[in-house]
Amino acid sequence: DIVMTQSPDSLAVSLGGMATINCKSSRSLLYINNKNYLAWYQQKPGQPPKVLISWASTRESGVPDRFSGSGSGTDFTLSISNLQAEDVALYFCQQYYSTPRTFGQGTKLEIK
Amino acid sequence: EVRLVESGGGLVQPGGSLRLSCAASGFTFSTYGMSWVRQAPGKGLEWVASMNQDGSQTYYVDSVKGRFTISRDNAKNSLHLQMTSLRAEDTAVYYCVRDEGGQSVWWNNWFDPWGQGTLVPVSS
Repeated sequence: DIVMTQSPDSLAVSLGGMATINCKSSRSLLYINNKNYLAWYQQKPGQPPKVLISWASTRESGVPDRFSGSGSGTDFTLSISNLQAEDVALYFCQQYYSTPRTFGQGTKLEIK
Repeated sequence: EVRLVESGGGLVQPGGSLRLSCAASGFTFSTYGMSWVRQAPGKGLEWVASMNQDGSQTYYVDSVKGRFTISRDNAKNSLHLQMTSLRAEDTAVYYCVRDEGGQSVWWNNWFDPWGQGTLVPVSS
């Protein structure tokens, strides 16, 4: 199984600041088609997860451009700029390169 | 609007059985693979089972093989998860999710959208 490890487990950022969440996979998620099979999800308290980014850097429809994904191979980053109060949530990365599809353990983002 | 609505959760004793259902609407259900993903209280996310579009292929995480059965009824736009021999470690919120991405290889898809989830506590 591919193990996904996120860092940090939690972070607190000031309103208007930048949050950076890292995700490392135990195997490369870069396929021969030059796509990285990685998604990012946001889970607000009491809600189900919602996909933010697919293919490591493609923002889903309706997701603010404050959210951006980067990285390739085994190292990926979710960046959230101009942090808003509504961004308080758990964030998960997930690989869909191989079965079983696996998730990172989650990163809790709070306002400082 | 795409909607997934789960039902059937509830307290069950260890060794017991439960059948979860998911009602889908707002999209052509028969053209998507579907999955169940669970989240233990205060924990992370775990993929549980998937089924392809026509129901001819099923896939399970090792920990539930032989105990859980995923099924679907395309005529009724519904997905089900039959759970037997339940254990304390199966306690979780179970989410019905659509496999998104359009990739032909079933695991090369992410999960979108997610239902609200149904809680299954396994306890005596």
